[in-house]
Amino acid sequence: QVQLQQWGAGLLKPSETLSLTCAVYGGSFSDDYWSWIRQPPGKGLEWIGGINHSGSTNFNPSLKSRVTISVDTSKRQFSLKVNFVIAADTAVYFCARARITTLGVFSRFDPWGQGTLVTVSS
Amino acid sequence: QSALTQPASVSGSPGQSITISCTGTSSDVGSYHLVSWYQHHPGKAPKLLIYEVTKRPSGVSNRFSGSKSGNTASLTISGLQAEDEADYFCCSYAGGSSLIFGGGTKVTVL
Repeated sequence: QVQLQQWGAGLLKPSETLSLTCAVYGGSFSDDYWSWIRQPPGKGLEWIGGINHSGSTNFNPSLKSRVTISVDTSKRQFSLKVNFVIAADTAVYFCARARITTLGVFSRFDPWGQGTLVTVSS
Repeated sequence: QSALTQPASVSGSPGQSITISCTGTSSDVGSYHLVSWYQHHPGKAPKLLIYEVTKRPSGVSNRFSGSKSGNTASLTISGLQAEDEADYFCCSYAGGSSLIFGGGTKVTVL
């Protein structure tokens, strides 16, 4: 059974860099696609982007210019960096495994990490 | 790309059935059989309930079921229980590398 554990700094000042890491326990790290999702306070979920074991990435176009997602297969970890954060980046950030269909398109997120609240405030 | 539209809240009494709608467009929900539903108790990890519109993962109660008609997907919870009180989100593939979520629905068990 796959489990995800995430961590990272929870309080940032504007213009700093958000950095979160997610460790994958169990399952086959190479078979799946690893994603980041966020939920601003009182709002819905927003897909940030994802990466596979070989480092191939996809991003939400609205965030792509400030976001980096990387992978360390030796540690079974993947990471998120968001540059030059602003107050609107305040959110609970989740990591999740994205399952892909046999045709190579997204099917679902399962499982999810527990979430990390990141607050951007001066 | 706008979020999928969900009702902000739905309520029901124990034992009743409720349905949560998730309305998109012909570019996302209407084009792909790739809608998933998640249950989220605040402070916990979201849980997959339904994927590919109607499929239920192993371990998920058969009280949860999904369907789709046109640009609207729906999640039905039958035999509502106190533990079902949570937030529920839908998600749809939207072509290319795009994924879109709904705004979320708070379910209250009266």
